[in-house]
Amino acid sequence: QSVLTQPPSASGTPGQRVTISCSGSSSNIGRNYVYWYQQLPGTAPKLLIYSNNQRPSGVPDRFSGSKSGTSASLAISGLRSEDEADYYCAAWDDSLRGSWVFGGGTKLTVL
Amino acid sequence: QVTLRESGPALVKPTQTLTLTCTFSGFSLSTSGMCVSWIRQPPGKALEWLARIDWDDDKYYSTFLKTRLTISKDTSKNQVVLTMINMDPVDTATYFCARDARSGDSGMDVWGQGTTVTVSS
Repeated sequence: QSVLTQPPSASGTPGQRVTISCSGSSSNIGRNYVYWYQQLPGTAPKLLIYSNNQRPSGVPDRFSGSKSGTSASLAISGLRSEDEADYYCAAWDDSLRGSWVFGGGTKLTVL
Repeated sequence: QVTLRESGPALVKPTQTLTLTCTFSGFSLSTSGMCVSWIRQPPGKALEWLARIDWDDDKYYSTFLKTRLTISKDTSKNQVVLTMINMDPVDTATYFCARDARSGDSGMDVWGQGTTVTVSS
């Protein structure tokens, strides 16, 4: 059972805008930054969003992140077939000594 | 260019100890704010963070696995080693290491390709 909660699946058609939610608590999302990762089949995760809403160099501006309270969202606009992947949210959790926690992942299907 | 590469045995027997090495380039673990984390992913399942070692040798472990894990670094060799004792078939997974940059809050920003470990007798 993952500490952060994501919907197991999401879908959209090319050109659409889809959002993926990530719910946590006051010890993780509530007080720390949220990160989003994209994992294409058979590959390592790739950082998509850091510090809630910042894009690393090379990530298209179709991808955006937001955070409010103990929840966060990843939005993908102008959906493309190559966006079909698993998406994970992550945050540092200040419980006990501290640790990274992940969401259970959301499988995005482009119809 | 930052790169990381995981290495270790592909197959271990139950109860054995797993030793994985992360060899990296493009950054130094002696630089303030630099860290390396280990993460694993069982087949078809979600990512699970295991441990982190910081530039100042501070160490953090998964609450659920901390009794089985040890992380260490060799700054001169640009390597981080993770050991996991008492391996079980449920530990079968792909194990990743990632640069974990606390400076700039960029998080686990660059990942290795992963190494697959199967636990079976």
